[in-house]
Amino acid sequence: QQPVQSPQAVILREGEDAVINCSSSKALYSVHWYRQKHGEAPVFLMILLKGGEQKGHDKISASFNEKKQQSSLYLTASQLSYSGTYFCGTDPMEYGNKLVFGAGTILRVKS
Amino acid sequence: NAGVTQTPKFQVLKTGQSMTLQCAQDMNHEYMSWYRQDPGMGLRLIHYSVGAGITDQGEVPNGYNVSRSTTEDFPLRLLSAAPSQTSVYFCASSSSGGYNEQFFGPGTRLTVL
Repeated sequence: QQPVQSPQAVILREGEDAVINCSSSKALYSVHWYRQKHGEAPVFLMILLKGGEQKGHDKISASFNEKKQQSSLYLTASQLSYSGTYFCGTDPMEYGNKLVFGAGTILRVKS
Repeated sequence: NAGVTQTPKFQVLKTGQSMTLQCAQDMNHEYMSWYRQDPGMGLRLIHYSVGAGITDQGEVPNGYNVSRSTTEDFPLRLLSAAPSQTSVYFCASSSSGGYNEQFFGPGTRLTVL
């Protein structure tokens, strides 16, 4: 079942912060976050694993609440380059490869 | 290192035609996947593979076939194209294990008339 992302869209001014949420009805092993710019392929931002491990870009932070099957992506001091659509992907299995993606959150950063 | 490559970039088919979308990766990744992306729907998993000779269905497998004879290649076959298969198709690869972040190819934009 597809995870639910919120909000669907958000507009920021440069320097403002944003939080994007991802919620699943299933128990999860991992949560992935990707950003996609118009006409391009999705690009990896962060992966969070059950048990607390995570890997991602230095300027991106995220959290994973295993009990609630929820993850949040934190974008601080936003820049114009942060604009794009953000997707979370969830996988219930360790060593799985069956990612289910949310519908996406459109982020626009204005100068 | 080319990463994940996909061909063709664009394709127009008529209803009922068949074709194969090609995907190759040079990162020695065990895992490969095919997704389709439609407006407002995010990325939906069509088929995936956890190694050569091993494939399985994703969320939306109907109308598509895959095979994985080598680690590098993972072609997607449309058996009899339908207008509902008009979409952007992305291939992705990843290493096995916990940190299996997906590396996406540039995509194929398919239109079925």
